[in-house]
Amino acid sequence: GAVVSQHPSWVICKSGTSVKIECRSLDFQATTMFWYRQFPKQSLMLMATSNEGSKATYEQGVEKDKFLINHASLTLSTLTVTSAHPEDSSFYICSARTQSGGGFYEQYFGPGTRLTVT
Amino acid sequence: SQQGEEDPQALSIQEGENATMNCSYKTSINNLQWYRQNSGRGLVHLILIRSNEREKHSGRLRVTLDTSKKSSSLLITASRAADTASYFCATVGGTYKYIFGTGTRLKVLA
Repeated sequence: GAVVSQHPSWVICKSGTSVKIECRSLDFQATTMFWYRQFPKQSLMLMATSNEGSKATYEQGVEKDKFLINHASLTLSTLTVTSAHPEDSSFYICSARTQSGGGFYEQYFGPGTRLTVT
Repeated sequence: SQQGEEDPQALSIQEGENATMNCSYKTSINNLQWYRQNSGRGLVHLILIRSNEREKHSGRLRVTLDTSKKSSSLLITASRAADTASYFCATVGGTYKYIFGTGTRLKVLA
């Protein structure tokens, strides 16, 4: 089956620093990847849609200068949280989309990255 | 917000009982999916139901979809302690974006 990995699985950083999270599709190519944020005991909220070779599309209310997304290849998207603050502490989940044989799109989710900003 | 609503928010049942959780959404959809998430972990895909389907089964799971009411339900039969998790519905519309519901936290007591 399609596998999506994230690295790191958890990270602790100091306030004011930047941290990069990688999302990889291991056995398929994904022209589109998505980044979600999940606060404790809450649902997943879509942050942005990442298309290979073009700029990401951010959802309303998400600061594009704070959450930098790069989708440089068909198997890798990165999310960089710049100048992180404690309120950015969250669980970040990526997903990668591929087209199934029936012409439908399917999304596969990564295991998530727990970010704690101290 | 386009986010779907799920109820109940939390559900506690005894092992062996059935668990039912409901999802209501706001926009038209291509399909609706249910996911499980154990505490602090990633999502596990459970089942997908397309907009032209009304019911689907997978093992102990039964999903129904009523597009006229914009609602879906997930039934877990003969629940086990290992079913303890949060359950989310996700609707997929024309843009193929996934919009997640608010989630139901299920606790199955042994």
